[in-house]
Amino acid sequence: AQTVTQSQPEMSVQEAETVTLSCTYDTSESDYYLFWYKQPPSRQMILVIRQEAYKQQNATENRFSVNFQKAAKSFSLKISDSQLGDAAMYFCAYIPPAGNNDMRFGAGTRLTVKP
Amino acid sequence: GAVVSQHPSWVICKSGTSVKIECRSLDFQATTMFWYRQFPKQSLMLMATSNEGSKATYEQGVEKDKFLINHASLTLSTLTVTSAHPEDSSFYICSAIGVSETQYFGPGTRLLVL
Repeated sequence: AQTVTQSQPEMSVQEAETVTLSCTYDTSESDYYLFWYKQPPSRQMILVIRQEAYKQQNATENRFSVNFQKAAKSFSLKISDSQLGDAAMYFCAYIPPAGNNDMRFGAGTRLTVKP
Repeated sequence: GAVVSQHPSWVICKSGTSVKIECRSLDFQATTMFWYRQFPKQSLMLMATSNEGSKATYEQGVEKDKFLINHASLTLSTLTVTSAHPEDSSFYICSAIGVSETQYFGPGTRLLVL
């Protein structure tokens, strides 16, 4: 079974600084999709960034980037120039290859941004 | 694009009554939708996968007779909590598959059973 592990229940970062959230996963598949979702206090799940496993290039979305290490099954999220609005729960998620869209989430990391 | 709505956003009901929650993909068609449950300070727990025109697939431990799912069209899935009890109080979130296997989430429904 696929599992997703986020080993940091809470993280804190100073405004304008950089923070990295960790995620590891377990799978026997070679092709899959990985995501980071943000859940602010409103509880709306917001897609932050996605990565296809077959792509070697790390995904980037403005201040958000990932470090995808396929061999190590690691998928960390880097937030640069942190802003107060980045404060939220962040969930790492995994989806197996097409045909089975069962998404598995990590336990989440609560990010606090200090002004 | 890829907007998913849920209705209602808040519902309070008496124990023993049934509650229906709607999930709609507003600007895309979704052959597959998902229903999650989230307890405070916890991650999302997948309850069931809803496929248009067929029966839903429930996760282990989820009572299919209690949580009725209907996916009548490519843009609408409904979750009915039958004979709700206080332990069913939770935050329910739906999602729909958009392009490239990305799931887009609804804003969630807070259910409180008295």
